[in-house]
Amino acid sequence: LAKTTQPISMDSYEGQEVNITCSHNNIATNDYITWYQQFPSQGPRFIIQGYKTKVTNEVASLFIPADRKSSTLSLPRVSLSDTAVYYCLVTDNAGNMLTFGGGTRLMVKP
Amino acid sequence: SQTIHQWPATLVQPVGSPLSLECTVEGTSNPNLYWYRQAAGRGLQLLFYSVGIGQISSEVPQNLSASRPQDRQFILSSKKLLLSDSGFYLCAWSVHNDEQYFGPGTRLTVT
Repeated sequence: LAKTTQPISMDSYEGQEVNITCSHNNIATNDYITWYQQFPSQGPRFIIQGYKTKVTNEVASLFIPADRKSSTLSLPRVSLSDTAVYYCLVTDNAGNMLTFGGGTRLMVKP
Repeated sequence: SQTIHQWPATLVQPVGSPLSLECTVEGTSNPNLYWYRQAAGRGLQLLFYSVGIGQISSEVPQNLSASRPQDRQFILSSKKLLLSDSGFYLCAWSVHNDEQYFGPGTRLTVT
């Protein structure tokens, strides 16, 4: 299974753009990259998923370089409510199983 | 629409006591089901996953077990709880490789 490495924590201020990078050096050809957001005492919530290049939805953008060994979650103009833990994970297509990394604890300050 | 239920929401159990946590999914058929544990301040650890009735894969050797007696029912059990079993237990479902949908979780405290 491809393991992921993310920064443990990040600080930002309201209105700023936040970029969280994740490394997944052993990603396999059929694997996808998925990001989740988790608030305390709640289950993780899906944010975005991608395979290569760039994916954008109403919440975030996901940038994946050609070698797919890393990915960057971009949150535009964060607010205080974006304070949460963000998990990067790589799907295992063969086993239909996901492995979560340690997550990045984002603190948005006023 | 699909929904996922977990109960109980919170549980306090003494060391050595048994455990049974239940998860049910509505509105979908033949989902993949997952049990995760999250220790305080830590990331999610996959414990078990199931791709069908009676099919259970274990990721971490421990004193926990899982069963899937019905298509949309997933049960996490233990015969004797340890202090280290305390944590936030999350059940999730997915269809193939798509995003996972998580339940509300059960906070277990072993005393």
